[in-house]
Amino acid sequence: QVQLQESGPGLVKPSGTLSLTCAVSGDSISSSYWWTWVRQPPGKGLEWLGEIFHRGGINYNPSLKSRVTMSIDNSKNQFSLRLSSVTAADTAVYFCAREKRLTYHHYYMDVWGKGTTVTVSS
Amino acid sequence: QSVLTQPPSVSGVPGQRVTMSCTGSSSNIGAGYDVHWYQQFPGTAPRLLIYGNSNRPSGVPDRFSGSKSGTSASLAISGLQAEDEADYYCQSYDSSLSGSLFGGGTKLTVL
Repeated sequence: QVQLQESGPGLVKPSGTLSLTCAVSGDSISSSYWWTWVRQPPGKGLEWLGEIFHRGGINYNPSLKSRVTMSIDNSKNQFSLRLSSVTAADTAVYFCAREKRLTYHHYYMDVWGKGTTVTVSS
Repeated sequence: QSVLTQPPSVSGVPGQRVTMSCTGSSSNIGAGYDVHWYQQFPGTAPRLLIYGNSNRPSGVPDRFSGSKSGTSASLAISGLQAEDEADYYCQSYDSSLSGSLFGGGTKLTVL
């Protein structure tokens, strides 16, 4: 059974950098799947942040592109998210998920982590 | 602007059939990209409900069905149950975004 678990600081100061890790168990991070981050501000909907593939493919949401960085650690079977210059608007529950691709442009998130709450505040 | 539009809320009584829409544009649903649906209960992660427009993952009751036509997609729930009360999100690929796009979500209330 594939499981994803997010971890990282729950509180980040404004203008700081948010750093989260998603540990994958029950599957290899080097398998055929892409891995993604999605966030949900309090009381709002889901926002796709970006995705990463172990062979070097990365796509970011253009609205965050200058601030977001994703990476994969094959040795630890985990992937990470870094979001710089954060503001209160980045306060959200952050989910990591596995992407199942039918074709390159046809994919969905079939396994999700439970999510971790990150608050941006001084 | 890349947007998938969902009605903020829908409601129904137990046993009823309800539908909710997801309206996109020529850069996403209208371009032929698949639509997927997720169910989310308060305080929990989204759960895949429908993939590839109309396919159900194992474990999802056949009361849930999806369809797509033109620039829109729909999720239907038949034999509505109290446990179906949740938020529902549609998702598709968007060529302008070069990535995934979620709808704003629809809150289903079972009266």
